[in-house]
Amino acid sequence: QTVVTQEPSFSVSPGGTVTLTCGLSSGSVSTEYHPSWYQQTPGQTPRTLVYNTNSRSSGVPDRFSGSILGNKAALTITGAQADDESHYYCALYMGGGISMFGGGTKLTVL
Amino acid sequence: QVQLQESGPGLVKPSQTLSLTCTVSGDSVRSDSYWWSWIRQPAGKGLEWIGRIYASGSTNYSPSLMSRLTISIDTSRNQFSLKLTSVTAADTAVYYCARFLLGGNLRFDPWGQGTLVTVSS
Repeated sequence: QTVVTQEPSFSVSPGGTVTLTCGLSSGSVSTEYHPSWYQQTPGQTPRTLVYNTNSRSSGVPDRFSGSILGNKAALTITGAQADDESHYYCALYMGGGISMFGGGTKLTVL
Repeated sequence: QVQLQESGPGLVKPSQTLSLTCTVSGDSVRSDSYWWSWIRQPAGKGLEWIGRIYASGSTNYSPSLMSRLTISIDTSRNQFSLKLTSVTAADTAVYYCARFLLGGNLRFDPWGQGTLVTVSS
């Protein structure tokens, strides 16, 4: 069974740049999977950051950007801020009406 | 402004059926632009897609839950619901409902606040 993979954790310095990735245990992620990215702080509802690979949701700062890097979807945070410290989840549309989430990446800003 | 609100029992006994309802305001579940979805999250763990329903009643379910899962829609009440049978402790989680946008804008947005369901005797 295919699994959506994400780095369990990542750290970035304030003002730094970090790229989180979203892959497949079998195969490559392309735009056809319509990758989307969600930010979740503890106790809060997930917030949509990016959809359709690289479209930013309304109100999301432009320091968040999405792309395809190699065989994975990617979320890049440029100029990380303290309040970017959160869990980040990607979701892929697998076709046939099925969506899947990755296991999430815990981002630490320090 | 579209809002979704989950409701249902917070405690369910093992082997029984978990039932939740999502009430939508600010939009219509009859819309042909969206699917209406359920997602869950066990404490300290990641998000798991459960399934979705369209206004017509068409559904798609997670393969891992399909045998126990029913999602239905009530257009007169602007609600959709989830029933999960034969629950175990592994079904303990925060359950979210969310709108899933179609076309070139595939994403879950917005989400409900989530409701914690604990499976315990």
